[in-house]
Amino acid sequence: DAKTTQPPSMDCAEGRAANLPCNHSTISGNEYVYWYRQIHSQGPQYIIHGLKNNETNEMASLIITEDRKSSTLILPHATLRDTAVYYCIVRVNNNDMRFGAGTRLTVKP
Amino acid sequence: NAGVTQTPKFQVLKTGQSMTLQCAQDMNHEYMSWYRQDPGMGLRLIHYSVGAGITDQGEVPNGYNVSRSTTEDFPLRLLSAAPSQTSVYFCASSRQGVVYSPLHFGNGTRLTVT
Repeated sequence: DAKTTQPPSMDCAEGRAANLPCNHSTISGNEYVYWYRQIHSQGPQYIIHGLKNNETNEMASLIITEDRKSSTLILPHATLRDTAVYYCIVRVNNNDMRFGAGTRLTVKP
Repeated sequence: NAGVTQTPKFQVLKTGQSMTLQCAQDMNHEYMSWYRQDPGMGLRLIHYSVGAGITDQGEVPNGYNVSRSTTEDFPLRLLSAAPSQTSVYFCASSRQGVVYSPLHFGNGTRLTVT
């Protein structure tokens, strides 16, 4: 299984874009990149996923490099409610999906 | 539509006691799983199931049993609780299929073993 590397923590100013990086240099051709987040002590929440094309939804954008060895989750206008731990996961599907330590994003006023 | 429901929300056990953490979903999801989360750490997968009658181990299965007799329910059993099992337990479910279905998580069960 491909492993992911994320910075342990990041800060972002409210209203600015938050760019969260993830390295997954051993990703296989059929593995997707998934992003989830966990606000305080709640259960994780799905954000977005992609295979090789950039993706955008109402929550965020996902930029995947052409070689697929890294990706960036972009929250275009971060709010205080976006303060959370963000998990980048590389898997074929939900079966046996594993969450690492993630990146703790703090949005500051 | 309740989603994923976990009971109880809180539980205190003594070492050696047994109990079952309940997880039920009303979305007709084929896939269900159990995670534990220790303070300051990410989630670790305990067991998962891709359908009724099918279960498999995750990365930390020791000390836990599961069964899946119905699509809706996926109980997690602790046969002899140990202090090392003090944690927050999350249950999750999703559809299985060609089109990706995100994991839906419950609100967690906070377990303390003394």
